Amino acid sequence: AQTVTQSQPEMSVQEAETVTLSCTYDTSENNYYLFWYKQPPSRQMILVIRQEAYKQQNATENRFSVNFQKAAKSFSLKISDSQLGDTAMYFCAFYWAAGNKLTFGGGTRVLVKP
Amino acid sequence: DAGVIQSPRHEVTEMGQEVTLRCKPISGHNSLFWYRQTMMRGLELLIYFNNNVPIDDSGMPEDRFSAKMPNASFSTLKIQPSEPRDSAVYFCASSFGTPRRDYEQYFGPGTRLTVT
Repeated sequence: AQTVTQSQPEMSVQEAETVTLSCTYDTSENNYYLFWYKQPPSRQMILVIRQEAYKQQNATENRFSVNFQKAAKSFSLKISDSQLGDTAMYFCAFYWAAGNKLTFGGGTRVLVKP
Repeated sequence: DAGVIQSPRHEVTEMGQEVTLRCKPISGHNSLFWYRQTMMRGLELLIYFNNNVPIDDSGMPEDRFSAKMPNASFSTLKIQPSEPRDSAVYFCASSFGTPRRDYEQYFGPGTRLTVT
C-alpha cells in the first residue's frame, strides 16, 4: 500500500517570503505521479503542480516549484514570494498509474501573514 | 467547461434519514471518484468508477453507503440510514484516467453533510 506523510501540520510565513512544505511517500511502484493540491477556506481542491516520477527535472509553475528526490521518496513544495491568497491547506498526493488512485497526505496548513 | 458539479452544496439531515449526493463529472472524463474529508481521517477515497463501472469500492465504510453511475454524466452517493458520524465533506472528482497521460483529478466544490 502507498502512504504519504506530511510532517508539518502548520506553517506560517511573512508575505513575500519563501516557505517549503515537506512530503515523503512510500511505494514499491515505479510508474507514478505526485501532486500538490491547495484547499483554501472555500474548501475547493485546486491542483497546484504535478511531477512525473520518470522525469528528473523538477516541475515549476510560476511561484510554485518542487524538489523531487526519487531515491529518498521525497517531494517538497516551495512557495516563493508568498501572497495572502496562498493561505490554505496544502495536500501532497501520490498517484499510482496501475491502480488509478490518489493517496493523500494529512495536509499542511499554511498561513501567510501581512 | 463548468468543471465538476456537485449538489447539494450543503445538506443537514436527521439521523436515520436517507441522503443522496449528486455529481456531474467533466464532459469527456471517463473516471469518477468519491472522497470523504473529515478532520480525523483526512481525505479518503470511497469508490471510483471507470467508464461507469465501479472498479474499487474498498473505501466504502459499510453497507449503508452505496454509489451508482448510470451514465457518463451522472453519479450518486447514497447513505441510508445516515448517522452523525457520517458528517463530513464529500467530494466528487473526475479525470481522463488511463491510458491518457494527464491523470490529474479535478474536484468538485464538495457537499458538506451534517447529520444531527
